[in-house]
Amino acid sequence: EAGVAQSPRYKIIEKRQSVAFWCNPISGHATLYWYQQILGQGPKLLIQFQNNGVVDDSQLPKDRFSAERLKGVDSTLKIQPAKLEDSAVYLCASSSRTSGGGSYEQYFGPGTRLTVT
Amino acid sequence: DAKTTQPPSMDCAEGRAANLPCNHSTISGNEYVYWYRQIHSQGPQYIIHGLKNNETNEMASLIITEDRKSSTLILPHATLRDTAVYYCIVRVANSWGKLQFGAGTQVVVTP
Repeated sequence: EAGVAQSPRYKIIEKRQSVAFWCNPISGHATLYWYQQILGQGPKLLIQFQNNGVVDDSQLPKDRFSAERLKGVDSTLKIQPAKLEDSAVYLCASSSRTSGGGSYEQYFGPGTRLTVT
Repeated sequence: DAKTTQPPSMDCAEGRAANLPCNHSTISGNEYVYWYRQIHSQGPQYIIHGLKNNETNEMASLIITEDRKSSTLILPHATLRDTAVYYCIVRVANSWGKLQFGAGTQVVVTP
């Protein structure tokens, strides 16, 4: 089974520029997550999709970050304009289960390391 | 959401058992304890989870105290490949799968 794919793996941009990250989840997974991980910290959820609808975007800086998941499969996360504090690893994850109790498991991609100079 | 407390770091000798503690004193009755780990330059990887009973899988064992206020992740025979940051996470039921990561425990397995 193929894992979560992300691209690019690394990106260096100057502040005020824009950047986009792409994620392809595991086939059949309905739920997709984008996390931001700043160096030395644990990942922080930015946005969660259920199919192509947004479930949680409470921690997404909406003035500069946007995300979409067209057709409920691939997803793109965009930053415009970037700030120095956006330097981080952006992780995409997917899972096949969503609500209720019981088990679920999130599968993470390798991440995109963004450096804003 | 309940929060967890973990030691920032610990060392373990290769081949020995690694016991990783986690405190979650405010956990609610319907919240699960999850463990993930993150090897350097990789995304987090699911290890194991439990509600109240002890659990074991091919990677590790999870021991949850009877009052559920703490738990221990056990790696039975640590290898160098187990060097990673280990995250103990309490998941709120019906929270659409949201995971809240803390800083975790940096485990270094030495030869």
